[in-house]
Amino acid sequence: QKEVEQNSGPLSVPEGAIASLNCTYSDRGSQSFFWYRQYSGKSPELIMFIYSNGDKEDGRFTAQLNKASQYVSLLIRDSQPSDSATYLCAVNRDDKIIFGKGTRLHILP
Amino acid sequence: NAGVMQNPRHLVRRRGQEARLRCSPMKGHSHVYWYRQLPEEGLKFMVYLQKENIIDESGMPKERFSAEFPKEGPSILRIQQVVRGDSAAYFCASSPQIAGGTYNEQFFGPGTRLTVL
Repeated sequence: QKEVEQNSGPLSVPEGAIASLNCTYSDRGSQSFFWYRQYSGKSPELIMFIYSNGDKEDGRFTAQLNKASQYVSLLIRDSQPSDSATYLCAVNRDDKIIFGKGTRLHILP
Repeated sequence: NAGVMQNPRHLVRRRGQEARLRCSPMKGHSHVYWYRQLPEEGLKFMVYLQKENIIDESGMPKERFSAEFPKEGPSILRIQQVVRGDSAAYFCASSPQIAGGTYNEQFFGPGTRLTVL
C-alpha cells in the first residue's frame, strides 16, 4: 500500500460547483496533513494544512480530516477556472513530508 | 521576506557531466528538503538537511548524488556523471524550526529543471 494515495484524475467540475478531492494515508502515526496546489510547470504552493479531526475552513477551501479512517479531503466551493491545477496531498512521516501523486482538477467554464 | 530561492532555474548538461543545484531557504528557516519530480509524477523526497547535518537521506540514490547545507551559503544538491534518467524538476523546500513542534509546513522554491542531453 502506498503511503499517500490519491486518484490521479482528471477530475472535471463545472464552474461554480464544489470540487471534492480525496486522499488516504497509511501511517496512523501521521499528525500533520497538507494540501498543495501545483500549476503546470510551477512549484507546489501550500493552500491548507490541518492537524485535528474535523473541518478547517479558509475562504473557499475546506480541509477535512478523519484520523480513524485515515482520510483527508479538500473541498473547493464556487470553483473557478483558476482552480484548474494538480492538487497534492501530503502527510508527515517523522521529520519529512510524503506526497501523493496528485489529482488533476479541471474546472469547466 | 524573500521566499525560497533556487538557481539555476534551468540547467542543461551532457551525459557524464556534473550538475550542481543551489537552494537558499527562506529567512529564519533552518530546515531544507530536496525533492525530485518526474513528468506526470508526484514529488519524491530525496534528502532532509539542517545546517551542517544530513538528517535523512533515505530518498537519495546510493551513487552519484550528494547534498550539503554548509554553515554559510546555500544548500547544494550535486549530481555526478549525469545520465538521461536524471532529467527532472528538482525542488527545494524550507521550513522553520518550531521548538517542541511536530509539524513542518514547507515552502517551495521555483525549482531547477535539469535536462540531460
